[in-house]
Amino acid sequence: QVRLVQSGPEVKKPGASVKVSCKASDYSFINYPISWVRQAPGQGLEWMGWISPYNGNTNYAQKFQGRVIMTTDASTSTAYMELTSLRSDDTAVYFCARGRQEWLALPSEYWGQGSLVTVSS
Amino acid sequence: EMVLTQSPGTLSLSPGEGATLSCRASQGVSSSYLAWYQQKPGQAPRLLIYGASTRATGIPDRFSGSGSGTDFTLTISRLEPEDFAVYYCQQYGRSPPGTFGQGTKVEIK
Repeated sequence: QVRLVQSGPEVKKPGASVKVSCKASDYSFINYPISWVRQAPGQGLEWMGWISPYNGNTNYAQKFQGRVIMTTDASTSTAYMELTSLRSDDTAVYFCARGRQEWLALPSEYWGQGSLVTVSS
Repeated sequence: EMVLTQSPGTLSLSPGEGATLSCRASQGVSSSYLAWYQQKPGQAPRLLIYGASTRATGIPDRFSGSGSGTDFTLTISRLEPEDFAVYYCQQYGRSPPGTFGQGTKVEIK
């Protein structure tokens, strides 16, 4: 069945960058855009954006424009989300997710397990 | 920019009771592109409803969605112990897509 397996926890200092990976399996990777969503401790869900593995098109939430870079590697069926200039309020669990329908990013039916990123000096 | 406001913030109910959760959008949601998710502690969200009223694969029929325009509702007809969780609405019809509401927690009374 569809699986999204994310990379492990990371601890970063303020100002650094983090790159989270999301390896997909058991479906045609290029046909389904990948979304990224984050959740700060005890807080709600925050949509960050999505990327199409087919053509590399992205749609980033305005809040993250200039600080987030989403990429994919079709040869390994892996999506990446890099967040730069980290601040303490970027501490969160980061989720990747796949849409329920080909070519559409949303809504998200399949989710990775989440990757905890901690930003601390 | 689109804002989704969910109410109430917390719903305290007993198993077997019904639950009604509201999601109000600051602008009309195109073509009822509104989804509902359930999230339990330490888990990823789970898609329950999309297109405002269509249940996702494997979702029990005690979950139902309704609404259009700016007002949407998730109804759980009879709460099972596993239904106590946080519920989020998400719109995906207007730019920027992907906006979530702040969530409603359904807790055991």
